[in-house]
Amino acid sequence: DVKVTQSSRYLVKRTGEKVFLECVQDMDHENMFWYRQDPGLGLRLIYFSYDVKMKEKGDIPEGYSVSREKKERFSLILESASTNQTSMYLCASSLMTESYEQYFGPGTRLTVT
Amino acid sequence: AQSVAQPEDQVNVAEGNPLTVKCTYSVSGNPYLFWYVQYPNRGLQFLLKYITGDNLVKGSYGFEAEFNKSQTSFHLKKPSALVSDSALYFCAVRPPSGGSYIPTFGRGTSLIVHP
Repeated sequence: DVKVTQSSRYLVKRTGEKVFLECVQDMDHENMFWYRQDPGLGLRLIYFSYDVKMKEKGDIPEGYSVSREKKERFSLILESASTNQTSMYLCASSLMTESYEQYFGPGTRLTVT
Repeated sequence: AQSVAQPEDQVNVAEGNPLTVKCTYSVSGNPYLFWYVQYPNRGLQFLLKYITGDNLVKGSYGFEAEFNKSQTSFHLKKPSALVSDSALYFCAVRPPSGGSYIPTFGRGTSLIVHP
């Protein structure tokens, strides 16, 4: 059974703080994704990684960076948190096959005050 | 470029009645199509997918979806709705082999099943 875990379910940070969101998957998936979810906007892709140390920008990478040092772990970094980054953050993983579905973590609800 | 449309923000249905959540897509070639469900304060869960073959795909929790190539649609259906089916539903599309691994999601449809 595929499991994707995220380091926190709820997080409250202050404006300007550096924020780390961690995601770990246990199924040896090549692909990992970070999305943010906002009401009325659906899922928006922040970054995508298809291999260790490889990354691609998604639709909204500004203000974010990522790190993938190990295959199972994909971190999202907010260098200097701002209030407009208050959102639900979802991590997902999948095999490197277009027909394969994604598996999502439970999400981290981040509030920046 | 690929795109997905879920034309209804919200669908209301009475428990026991059939339900349909609509999805249309635009992609070059034969697509891979997916449905996911999201319960409150949870991540998305995979429901079903269309890859090839039979146009009617069966998935988890009694859901099924019908692929219609001529109408470029992939509507999610269930013969008899349950209150516990109330959730947010997302349709997603990936292009066929050789394209991007990155799926495109619809904006989601909130399904509300009334007792």
